[in-house]
Amino acid sequence: DAGVIQSPRHEVTEMGQEVTLRCKPISGHDYLFWYRQTMMRGLELLIYFNNNVPIDDSGMPEDRFSAKMPNASFSTLKIQPSEPRDSAVYFCASRPDGSNQPQHFGDGTRLSIL
Amino acid sequence: SQQGEEDPQALSIQEGENATMNCSYKTSINNLQWYRQNSGRGLVHLILIRSNEREKHSGRLRVTLDTSKKSSSLLITASRAADTASYFCATVRSNDYKLSFGAGTTVTVRA
Repeated sequence: DAGVIQSPRHEVTEMGQEVTLRCKPISGHDYLFWYRQTMMRGLELLIYFNNNVPIDDSGMPEDRFSAKMPNASFSTLKIQPSEPRDSAVYFCASRPDGSNQPQHFGDGTRLSIL
Repeated sequence: SQQGEEDPQALSIQEGENATMNCSYKTSINNLQWYRQNSGRGLVHLILIRSNEREKHSGRLRVTLDTSKKSSSLLITASRAADTASYFCATVRSNDYKLSFGAGTTVTVRA
């Protein structure tokens, strides 16, 4: 069974550019989460979806960030315009329905904004 | 926001020794989970302990949970070089699905 797949693995772009990160969750998982990891702030939850519907986006830092889940097998996290302080590793995770279930993480996208 | 706090921040041990790390948290929880992260990789789930459980084992891992002290510990016995990684505790509150992570403990196992 394939795990959570994220693309690209690395992205380097100049500030002001639009960045789109992609995630394919594990088939059958009803929940999808986007996290950001930095040395200063650790792992932060940005947003999560249940059955493709955004449930909690309180962690999204500002309006420059947006996330969508058009279907059960695909989600995107978009930053427009990007800024150097957005540089981080972005992780996607999914989990099945039910209580006491672990989350399954992708290997992340390492984003560098110059 | 980070609810869990791990202690110590870093740990260096000899292969074959045991490694113990602790996690404290602030609010009532439904369960507590431990994850491992190897350099450049995503987090891998190790073990989940429910709020009504006190101890759980998985292979060389032993996790304890003390809800009265709001703390948990992870013990790795007979450590191996492959155990070198960062270890994170994460809590899930009741009626919630979000994980709140601590800052992690970096473990280095010397051959």
